[in-house]
Amino acid sequence: SQTIHQWPATLVQPVGSPLSLECTVEGTSNPNLYWYRQAAGRGLQLLFYSVGIGQISSEVPQNLSASRPQDRQFILSSKKLLLSDSGFYLCAWSPPGGSAYEQYFGPGTRLTVT
Amino acid sequence: GESVGLHLPTLSVQEGDNSIINCAYSNSASDYFIWYKQESGKGPQFIIDIRSNMDKRQGQRVTVLLNKTVKHLSLQIAATQPGDSAVYFCAEGGGGYNKLIFGAGTRLAVHP
Repeated sequence: SQTIHQWPATLVQPVGSPLSLECTVEGTSNPNLYWYRQAAGRGLQLLFYSVGIGQISSEVPQNLSASRPQDRQFILSSKKLLLSDSGFYLCAWSPPGGSAYEQYFGPGTRLTVT
Repeated sequence: GESVGLHLPTLSVQEGDNSIINCAYSNSASDYFIWYKQESGKGPQFIIDIRSNMDKRQGQRVTVLLNKTVKHLSLQIAATQPGDSAVYFCAEGGGGYNKLIFGAGTRLAVHP
């Protein structure tokens, strides 16, 4: 069976500091991978998605970036965090060639920028 | 954990009653719809999906209804239980490759 991991679970970072959130998927090959951000009491905003190694599509302009160095690894980064970057960050995967939109989410990382 | 649903509309039901959560979607070209359940501090969990060539689909205790004429989606939960308390999101597939557009969510509160 497939599992998706995210770490850390919670993170408190000062404004201007760098960020690195990691997501890994087990039990599947060449998954589509996604990063979402969720503000408190809000829906999910798609930030990035990837259909393969080194292939990243950005949905919204921001000071965040994403990378996919390995098939089942997806990293969300920032060089300098802003207060507005606080939120709940979710990684998701969907099967390649399967249901185009059936996405499965990780447990999330709660980021607080102080 | 993260407090999900602080400012979301809330549906309060008694344990054992049926719940109906509604969602209006935006894109008439969307061809795939999903309902997710999100408990506080956790990632969304897939509940049920439906394609645009259907108007009803049933799962275990849940039914999704799709009305394409008015772009409306609903999730019906039978015999609601305390464990059903969560925020429920609808999502529509469309607008590009493998993308989902999420609704704002509804918080379901089940009272004993």
